[in-house]
Amino acid sequence: AQRVTQPEKLLSVFKGAPVELKCNYSYSGSPELFWYVQYSRQRLQLLLRHISRESIKGFTADLNKGETSFHLKKPFAQEEDSAMYYCALRGNQGAQKLVFGQGTRLTINP
Amino acid sequence: GAVVSQHPSWVICKSGTSVKIECRSLDFQATTMFWYRQFPKQSLMLMATSNEGSKATYEQGVEKDKFLINHASLTLSTLTVTSAHPEDSSFYICSATTGQGAGYGYTFGSGTRLTVV
Repeated sequence: AQRVTQPEKLLSVFKGAPVELKCNYSYSGSPELFWYVQYSRQRLQLLLRHISRESIKGFTADLNKGETSFHLKKPFAQEEDSAMYYCALRGNQGAQKLVFGQGTRLTINP
Repeated sequence: GAVVSQHPSWVICKSGTSVKIECRSLDFQATTMFWYRQFPKQSLMLMATSNEGSKATYEQGVEKDKFLINHASLTLSTLTVTSAHPEDSSFYICSATTGQGAGYGYTFGSGTRLTVV
């Protein structure tokens, strides 16, 4: 079974401070991990995925298979980063479904 | 880029009636579409996976007869909430993918807020 856990429902940091949103997963095969972001009143959009190893809007995430984690990080938070962040997993077997974590609401204080 | 249009964006219906939600991929062919349900301040819960031309695969606990899914073409999937009740009130989101190519992605609709009164 695929399972994604985001332990923090809410996270609040000051502008300019580092940010880390935690994501842990459970999957027996080789997963593909994603981070999606949902800004206020907007649809869900892809932020990054582990296979592309890109840095989007200053965010990075490294897949740690040993710790089964895919934490999202940004060294210096900006006010426009305030949003809902979802970690998601796609398995490598069977259906292509994407399973989401519970989400973390990030608030950047000025 | 890939765009998914979901309609309506919100709907209010009376208890006992049925409501249809449409999900269209505008500039790509979606071999697979997904329907999610999101309760307030909660995550997206996958309801079903729908492949064009075949029956949808429902997640455990989702009533097939209650949530009818049709994926008749590569650009359109519909979710019909039959005999709606207040507990069906929720935010419904569709997602579409080509399901092809290395590292294929997903495009999400803007969601439909259903209120059953």
